[in-house]
Amino acid sequence: QVQLVESGGGVVQPGRSLRLSCQASGFNFRTYAMHWVRQIPGKGLEWVAVITFDGDNKFYADSVKGRFIISRDNSNNTLFLQLNSLKTDDTALYYCARDLGGADHWGQGTLVTVSA
Amino acid sequence: EIVLTQSPDSQSVTPKERVTITCRASQSIGRSLHWYQQKPGQSPKLLIKYASQSFSGVPSRFSGRGSGTDFTLTINSLEVEDAATYYCHQSDSFPRTFGQGTTVEIK
Repeated sequence: QVQLVESGGGVVQPGRSLRLSCQASGFNFRTYAMHWVRQIPGKGLEWVAVITFDGDNKFYADSVKGRFIISRDNSNNTLFLQLNSLKTDDTALYYCARDLGGADHWGQGTLVTVSA
Repeated sequence: EIVLTQSPDSQSVTPKERVTITCRASQSIGRSLHWYQQKPGQSPKLLIKYASQSFSGVPSRFSGRGSGTDFTLTINSLEVEDAATYYCHQSDSFPRTFGQGTTVEIK
């Protein structure tokens, strides 16, 4: 069955960087666009970024544009999110999700805490 | 950016009642509107895609309708297990956006 497992979260100081990973299994990863969505605990969902199936096109939320980079390795069924110049406002649970117009499968999330 | 506004923000409902949640888009998005359910401590789950298409395995009491700017999610005969927060989400254009969420509580 479809599985998405995020990793790489942790506690980091403002201005520092972090790289999140999402390991996919149970489906043909290279044929799907993939998203990152984040959620401040207790708050709503915020879309972060998407990458097309081949990695050729990437789109970002204005709040992360120029700081975050989405990428993928289709050989290893892995999605990445590079978080640079982190701010306290970036503290959230980060989910990866498979695109089917809507997002039809989600991981369990990895928590990023930005704190001095 | 397309803004999605859900109403109500929260609702307290008796089991077996019907629940209707609306999602209004700030501009026309055709039928590119999806609904999710999120229970505490869990990831969101897709319920309805493209306004009215039920996602695989979703109970038939969940249904969606609408197009353009106005959409509804209906839960017929609410069950206790339906207590959750529901979100709408548009895939018409970038940046993708979500509604603020509607929390359904059981009386």
